[in-house]
Order: sequence, then C-alpha cells, then structure tokens
Amino acid sequence: KAGVTQTPRYLIKTRGQQVTLSCSPISGHRSVSWYQQTPGQGLQFLFEYFSETQRNKGNFPGRFSGRQFSNSRSEMNVSTLELGDSALYLCASRQTGHMYFGAGTRLSVL
Amino acid sequence: GQQLNQSPQSMFIQEGEDVSMNCTSSSIFNTWLWYKQDPGEGPVLLIALYKAGELTSNGRLTAQFGITRKDSFLNISASIPSDVGIYFCAGQLGGGADGLTFGKGTHLIIQP
Repeated sequence: KAGVTQTPRYLIKTRGQQVTLSCSPISGHRSVSWYQQTPGQGLQFLFEYFSETQRNKGNFPGRFSGRQFSNSRSEMNVSTLELGDSALYLCASRQTGHMYFGAGTRLSVL
Repeated sequence: GQQLNQSPQSMFIQEGEDVSMNCTSSSIFNTWLWYKQDPGEGPVLLIALYKAGELTSNGRLTAQFGITRKDSFLNISASIPSDVGIYFCAGQLGGGADGLTFGKGTHLIIQP
C-alpha cells in the first residue's frame, strides 16, 4: 500500500505570492490533516478534512486554506506569503485509528 | 490553548544506554502518542496510548499514559545508532476531528 504522498517536496516562493501544496492520502483513507512544522513553534495543526468537509481548524490566519476532493486528495493554499510562512508542511491521513504522515513539502519564502 | 512541555530538549548518550523522555500538559488528553522523525521525513508513529495508567511496549520502547492524563513518558532501552532522531509526544483530546497537540521534541544523539 502506498503511503501518504506530498508534492512538491521543495518549493521556493517570494513574499506576496501564493502557493498550493498537494497531498494524496493512503488509499481508502478519507481523513486528511495538515500541520506546519517550524524550528521555533514545532508542529502545529492547521486543519482537518473528512469527506470533502473541513471538520476542524487550528489557530492560523485566513491566508491558510484547504480543500479536499471526492477522491480524498487534498490541497492547501497559502495566499500573500510572508517570510514566517517558511516551514515544512506535513499532511497526514487516517481512516480509523492512527495518523500516517507524508514526508512533507518544504516551503522557503524569500 | 493547550501546550505540551517535552523534556529534555536534547540528549547525548552512549550506544547501549537507556533513554527516558517525558511530556507534561497543562490540561488533560484522552490519547497520548509518541512519534519519531528522521531528517527529511514525516513523523512515524511509535506507540499510541488510550487509557490513563496504560503501559505499552513496542520492542525496546515503552511508554506510559499518566494517571492524571496530563503526562506521558517514553523509555528506550539499550539504545542503538538507528535510534538517533527527534522524538515527539502528541496529545489528542477528542476523537477523529481533533488535531494533535505536539511537544517541541527531544533530539536524541548517540555518541560513538
């Protein structure tokens, strides 16, 4: 069974731009969550989607948004990028039980 | 919001030594999880704990869910070089929709 796949693995953007990250969950998993990981703040919960609906949201500004498609694939979007948005963005999928993480997308904002 | 205090921040040990790390919370959790993250990878689940007082082992790893539901520890016995990495505790209050609250991590370094 393939794991959680995140694309791209690395991304460089400049301030003010917007970015879209993609996540393909493990086959059969309908829940997808997104986390931001930075050296200063650690791993922080962004949002969780289940059956195309956002079920929960962390404490991030509205510039961070996401969506889930009918095949459970998910995208997250960050608009008007700031330097502080540089981070590793991790996606995790779950059916019932445990959460499985992808390798992440490393975003650098210059 | 909820915060997890994980300690120590880093550990420098000799191969073969036992390791102990812990997490404490300002509020209760109903699930405690321990993850390991290697460079360039996402966190991998090591042990999941679902009941206060529960003690669970996974090979050389042992973790416990504190009685107060506000703490958990992870022990690694007889450390080996592949144990190097960053270990995270995570707590979850509710069921599926609740996000995980993570500790800041314990960086384990094994000296030759």
